[in-house]
Amino acid sequence: DTGVSQNPRHKITKRGQNVTFRCDPISEHNRLYWYRQTLGQGPEFLTYFQNEAQLEKSRLLSDRFSAERPKGSFSTLEIQRTEQGDSAMYLCASSQDTGTVGYTFGSGTRLTVV
Amino acid sequence: GQQLNQSPQSMFIQEGEDVSMNCTSSSIFNTWLWYKQEPGEGPVLLIALYKAGELTSNGRLTAQFGITRKDSFLNISASIPSDVGIYFCAGQYELITGKLIFGQGTTLQVKP
Repeated sequence: DTGVSQNPRHKITKRGQNVTFRCDPISEHNRLYWYRQTLGQGPEFLTYFQNEAQLEKSRLLSDRFSAERPKGSFSTLEIQRTEQGDSAMYLCASSQDTGTVGYTFGSGTRLTVV
Repeated sequence: GQQLNQSPQSMFIQEGEDVSMNCTSSSIFNTWLWYKQEPGEGPVLLIALYKAGELTSNGRLTAQFGITRKDSFLNISASIPSDVGIYFCAGQYELITGKLIFGQGTTLQVKP
């Protein structure tokens, strides 16, 4: 197991287009988190899953954003009708249950909306 | 919303010097963590602190959980060029979710 994997690493899209990112967590981790990081800022929480259940969503996650984790394995984050303000690094992290010691981040997907 | 104030915003130091950075909050946290992020990568956990007053070391890194539970600091001793990166503090106040609140980061540059 090589850690949390995110694809693609980079995505450039035109405003108004839809994009989807994928995250593959560490296999034995049942918690999966999505964060967004803009330039010069720390990561901001978007949402998290316990197995396949999405348990919390930040107010940052507008109705254009949707996240899924079918079967409690990989997760996808979709942004519909992208806006320039969506340009950011989207980070995925995973952990076992409530412990944060095992909170492992992926390398992120850098989204640029032009 | 919840915010962490991290300082300094950036530091440019000579190799071998010690470094100190800190993080404060208006609210109490149950856990403080320190992460390092390098360009194009996700944050990597350096140190986790679980009790008020706790002092924890990881090699040349030392971090403390403030007694008031509203602050934490990170020290790096005898800096080396590979210490370059952005250091983030993060607080966790919701034990159930594991959700983290991050500071704005301290950018560290080390001159050989």
